[in-house]
Amino acid sequence: NAGVMQNPRHLVRRRGQEARLRCSPMKGHSHVYWYRQLPEEGLKFMVYLQKENIIDESGMPKERFSAEFPKEGPSILRIQQVVRGDSAAYFCASSPGQTQHEQFFGPGTRLTVL
Amino acid sequence: AQTVTQSQPEMSVQEAETVTLSCTYDTSESDYYLFWYKQPPSRQMILVIRQEAYKQQNATENRFSVNFQKAAKSFSLKISDSQLGDAAMYFCACKETSGSRLTFGEGTQLTVNP
Repeated sequence: NAGVMQNPRHLVRRRGQEARLRCSPMKGHSHVYWYRQLPEEGLKFMVYLQKENIIDESGMPKERFSAEFPKEGPSILRIQQVVRGDSAAYFCASSPGQTQHEQFFGPGTRLTVL
Repeated sequence: AQTVTQSQPEMSVQEAETVTLSCTYDTSESDYYLFWYKQPPSRQMILVIRQEAYKQQNATENRFSVNFQKAAKSFSLKISDSQLGDAAMYFCACKETSGSRLTFGEGTQLTVNP
């Protein structure tokens, strides 16, 4: 049973470009969470999604950031017009449901903005 | 809102010795879960141990055990017979049962000396 998959593992973008980060949850999991880890810091919650629904986006920056989890395909975290401060590791986690409190993490995507 | 504090940015231990990592948390809810995650240089987040707040018995997983003091809101991790492979960043995390997000501490970098 494959774990949570994230791609790409490393992404380099120039300021002003768009970054798309993908996350495929574990088989049987319909709940996806995105976290951001800035250098030398812990993980910070960004958004929680179920299939076709954003449940909690209280940790998302108000501008340039969006997330989706379509009926088919992976969850996408999209960052428009990236700035150097967006450089971070972005982790996706999944769970079978909200009542299953353990979240399983992917390997992360390291975004570098030049 | 929940908060998690790890007051030890760095710790070191001799191989085969025991080390304890500290964590305190705050939450207004009575029902929640606590976790310790390990993040090795690969950056993968690995669940080490979990504790349900309603359980008085401290969780154990092989060489890893916790000291859960609910009244003091303290959740320390003890690693016995430390191994070189235990060297990593360790994060304490809390999840309220009613919520969706994990709240992480800032981490403790553990070094294991041969």
